[in-house]
Amino acid sequence: GESVGLHLPTLSVQEGDNSIINCAYSNSASDYFIWYKQESGKGPQFIIDIRSNMDKRQGQRVTVLLNKTVKHLSLQIAATQPGDSAVYFCAEDTGGFKTIFGAGTRLFVKA
Amino acid sequence: EPEVTQTPSHQVTQMGQEVILRCVPISNHLYFYWYRQILGQKVEFLVSFYNNEISEKSEIFDDQFSVERPDGSNFTLKIRSTKLEDSAMYFCASRGGDGSYEQYFGPGTRLTVT
Repeated sequence: GESVGLHLPTLSVQEGDNSIINCAYSNSASDYFIWYKQESGKGPQFIIDIRSNMDKRQGQRVTVLLNKTVKHLSLQIAATQPGDSAVYFCAEDTGGFKTIFGAGTRLFVKA
Repeated sequence: EPEVTQTPSHQVTQMGQEVILRCVPISNHLYFYWYRQILGQKVEFLVSFYNNEISEKSEIFDDQFSVERPDGSNFTLKIRSTKLEDSAMYFCASRGGDGSYEQYFGPGTRLTVT
């Protein structure tokens, strides 16, 4: 069946360092991948997305990499700040009507 | 900045009772979603809604669940006979029809079934 999962449940980084959060997916038919950030007590917040016909997309301080050969997705956060502390979910979507979330990685940023 | 709103923020109900969770999506959005998140777990897709009908639903969304867009602004999720395992955060989301897949989530309703 379809599933999206994460390699690590928690990640701890020093403020100012770069963070890399990884994700594996299994549905080859997914055409759209998204990273969401969820702070405590809030709903998920869109960070960045990438379509299946791309392998890299950059935003402000964030980069998403997609490797379709090994079905791997990663989120890179440059110069991680305390405000980046949250749970990060990767998600996959097919056609825009069904989004499947991964298990989540909790990012801790140490000052 | 426009945002998705949800009411109530917390709903406590007894097992077997019906609940209606309410959402006001962003006004010009065309696609609407409900998700749930059991405490400490991942976000689970329930249902998507477009053009006044369900587009996709998950296996969680059984006959006890229904959705409705009763007017031009509200989007509701009804659970007919709540079970203990329905206790969770329920998130509504919406997205526009501009080709972007970006969904905007509301703050959630915490449902506690006792």
